[in-house]
Amino acid sequence: KNQVEQSPQSLIILEGKNCTLQCNYTVSPFSNLRWYKQDTGRGPVSLTIMTFSENTKSNGRYTATLDADTKQSSLHITASQLSDSASYICVVSTSGGTSYGKLTFGQGTILTVHP
Amino acid sequence: NAGVTQTPKFQVLKTGQSMTLQCAQDMNHEYMSWYRQDPGMGLRLIHYSVGAGITDQGEVPNGYNVSRSTTEDFPLRLLSAAPSQTSVYFCASRPWRYYGYTFGSGTRLTVV
Repeated sequence: KNQVEQSPQSLIILEGKNCTLQCNYTVSPFSNLRWYKQDTGRGPVSLTIMTFSENTKSNGRYTATLDADTKQSSLHITASQLSDSASYICVVSTSGGTSYGKLTFGQGTILTVHP
Repeated sequence: NAGVTQTPKFQVLKTGQSMTLQCAQDMNHEYMSWYRQDPGMGLRLIHYSVGAGITDQGEVPNGYNVSRSTTEDFPLRLLSAAPSQTSVYFCASRPWRYYGYTFGSGTRLTVV
């Protein structure tokens, strides 16, 4: 069964600190992995998308890594801001491009940044 | 360019009532899909469409119907609401050659 597990479930950090969120998956065959940010009461917004051949991708203060061999990904947030408080969702796709691509969602990590 | 627009934002239904959740996108995306999000669980796919006139079932389709008469619109119909359908519903779309999805802001549905 395709699964995506995220850890920790929740995390509290102080403003300005760094943090790393983890994502382990058993989805096969792998096509791509995405990290989304979901603010409370809003829809998920894409942060990064990585395919099999990509190890690292950055988007401002967000850096995602992918190890396709161990089926692990991480999202590193640098110099956190209060606006980073949100749920971060790891999503893995079994295929993409011209086919629909079945997505498997993790349950999310709730990040709270305190001043 | 509004992106993906969902209406209504909130809805309370009585058990057995029917209703339609609306989803519209103005980006000419071929793919559209409906998800539900429940506490402690990842988003689960209800139905999806790869183009006008084409729909298919996702992971949790029971109790829901969809249609895709135009590229822009993808309504989700609840046939006879049940308390188990209390959830937050998200509509998402993407162009056929791109991996990234654009999500709507969601509809919070409560069935009493």
